[in-house]
Amino acid sequence: DQQVKQNSPSLSVQEGRISILNCDYTNSMFDYFLWYKKYPAEGPTFLISISSIKDKNEDGRFTVFLNKSAKHLSLHIVPSQPGDSAVYFCAALYGNKLVFGAGTILRVKS
Amino acid sequence: DAGITQSPRYKITETGRQVTLMCHQTWSHSYMFWYRQDLGHGLRLIYYSAAADITDKGEVPDGYVVSRSKTENFPLTLESATRSQTSVYFCASRTSGPYNEQFFGPGTRLTVL
Repeated sequence: DQQVKQNSPSLSVQEGRISILNCDYTNSMFDYFLWYKKYPAEGPTFLISISSIKDKNEDGRFTVFLNKSAKHLSLHIVPSQPGDSAVYFCAALYGNKLVFGAGTILRVKS
Repeated sequence: DAGITQSPRYKITETGRQVTLMCHQTWSHSYMFWYRQDLGHGLRLIYYSAAADITDKGEVPDGYVVSRSKTENFPLTLESATRSQTSVYFCASRTSGPYNEQFFGPGTRLTVL
């Protein structure tokens, strides 16, 4: 039973437009959420995070929104660039462990 | 090399053989992790270690063994490889404090025939 779900396996967006990646979770004990980005043949790299006591965190073109009541978070990328094409993993922290979603492949078309 | 490295990057083995995947980090991070990445599952935690000689199971530990005699190394051993262990394996490390970023190695692609 997956505790962190990314229901969209893939997303295609035009360069310059907004990309919105979604993530749902089931465990209300998660207190910290992260997004990782992964290029082919490389390890994931940290992108942005948000504490459960916040509802928004912004870092340049990347913003993460958290809706605790809906157990939902989203990553917004504005504007999207071709270099953003990658797999994006949502992850939730429980104790010392990260629980990852299945990932969403983002393709930004130029 | 500075950072976190994994070896080998690619490995093909046969069912029943023992395989060891190596992970080495140069930051002296206290925590180290092993994940496997499979289509439809994302990354799943196999084992982790909070310090030398301290290890604990993750979500999918069956069929795997770990050890950590030195802070910088965290090898993962498949004692008798099975086809279901065909996967991409990632090692990661971080400093103490759960909110700190995990840094991932480049991965090892393992195929069990």
